[in-house]
Amino acid sequence: QVQVVESGGGLVNPGGSLTLSCAASGFIFRNSYMTWIRQAPGKGLECISYISGSSGNIHYADSVKGRFTISRDNARNILFLQMNSLRAEDTALYLCARRDYYHSYMDVWGEGTTVTVSS
Amino acid sequence: QSVLTQPASVSGSPGQSITISCTGTSSDVGSYDLVSWYQYHPGKAPKLIIYDVNKRPSGLSNRFSGSKSGNAASLTISGLQAEDEADYYCCSYAGDTTSVIFGGGTRLTVL
Repeated sequence: QVQVVESGGGLVNPGGSLTLSCAASGFIFRNSYMTWIRQAPGKGLECISYISGSSGNIHYADSVKGRFTISRDNARNILFLQMNSLRAEDTALYLCARRDYYHSYMDVWGEGTTVTVSS
Repeated sequence: QSVLTQPASVSGSPGQSITISCTGTSSDVGSYDLVSWYQYHPGKAPKLIIYDVNKRPSGLSNRFSGSKSGNAASLTISGLQAEDEADYYCCSYAGDTTSVIFGGGTRLTVL
């Protein structure tokens, strides 16, 4: 079964750090571009980062550049998002998805993990 | 981050057809035939329903169709069914610097 499952969300203080994980199964993970997308409460979707299968091509949205780091472990089929210097505006549901790089669509999505930044 | 413009809500009765618009600019929708659409039931995983403007993933109902004209794309759902009630998001490639951008989402209510 082709799927991705996110984990690692929680409540964190402003300025704190958190690492999200996304476990993939049912497809050749090492060949797949992967992306993190978030949805703030009452807002739409925002693509915040993507990474190529080899980790050689990485992109960040301006809203997270310099604070978030995307990485992957192809041996364990896991995608990560290290989030530092968290702000209240980072409060969101974080979704992991497989991305078709050349056609720019996401065809496998998880249900997300919630991050709340609050004191 | 710039977003594509979608109506906040649309509604229709079972069996009817509805169209959701997605308006961008010449830097995104107008420049690339790389528009995709997603169906999102809150609490579930979003589902790809249209890619490359008008292509459907294998196995998806042909009740869903997409199109584009200039800087605007559209999603049409025909023969509305109760299970179509969900949030719908458009997405477009916007160049190497920006990557992809999404619309603000449209809540479809089946009356």
